[in-house]
Amino acid sequence: KAGVTQTPRYLIKTRGQQVTLSCSPISGHRSVSWYQQTPGQGLQFLFEYFSETQRNKGNFPGRFSGRQFSNSRSEMNVSTLELGDSALYLCASSETSGPSYEQYFGPGTRLTVT
Amino acid sequence: GESVGLHLPTLSVQEGDNSIINCAYSNSASDYFIWYKQESGKGPQFIIDIRSNMDKRQGQRVTVLLNKTVKHLSLQIAATQPGDSAVYFCAALNYGGSQGNLIFGKGTKLSVKP
Repeated sequence: KAGVTQTPRYLIKTRGQQVTLSCSPISGHRSVSWYQQTPGQGLQFLFEYFSETQRNKGNFPGRFSGRQFSNSRSEMNVSTLELGDSALYLCASSETSGPSYEQYFGPGTRLTVT
Repeated sequence: GESVGLHLPTLSVQEGDNSIINCAYSNSASDYFIWYKQESGKGPQFIIDIRSNMDKRQGQRVTVLLNKTVKHLSLQIAATQPGDSAVYFCAALNYGGSQGNLIFGKGTKLSVKP
């Protein structure tokens, strides 16, 4: 079974631009969660989608948004990029939502904002 | 607010020795804990988990110990191998909540000397 894939793997954007990242979960997994990882703050939860519905959201500004499609693929969007948005963005998939923590992470998208 | 922290940011051990990585959490309501391993260029990988009704859980070459009294858990790796070199971090969760309640520590970088 193929793992979680994320595209693109690397991205360089300019402050003020917007960006869209994509995540394809493991086949059969309906839950996709997004995380931001930085050296200073570590891994922080952004949001979770299950069956095209946002189930939970972390403490991030409204510039961070996401969606999930009927095939469970998910995208996250960051508008009006700031330098502090530079980070590794990880998505993780699992079979179910809620307390199911056999999450499988993708390799991440490294976003650099200049 | 809630926090999960690791005692040492780096740990260097000799190949074949046992490794112990420690983690402390602040929320006494946390009742589920996970250890992850993250190798360079990859997403986190689930290693082992433990619920608060247990003090110890063993996996293949890994053992997690939980001390709820002092809100501390540790990951022990037996006969450490070069392939164990990675960043390890713990996460704490209020079971019954969604992924949004998963709080991650910042990580300990384990280096294995041949």
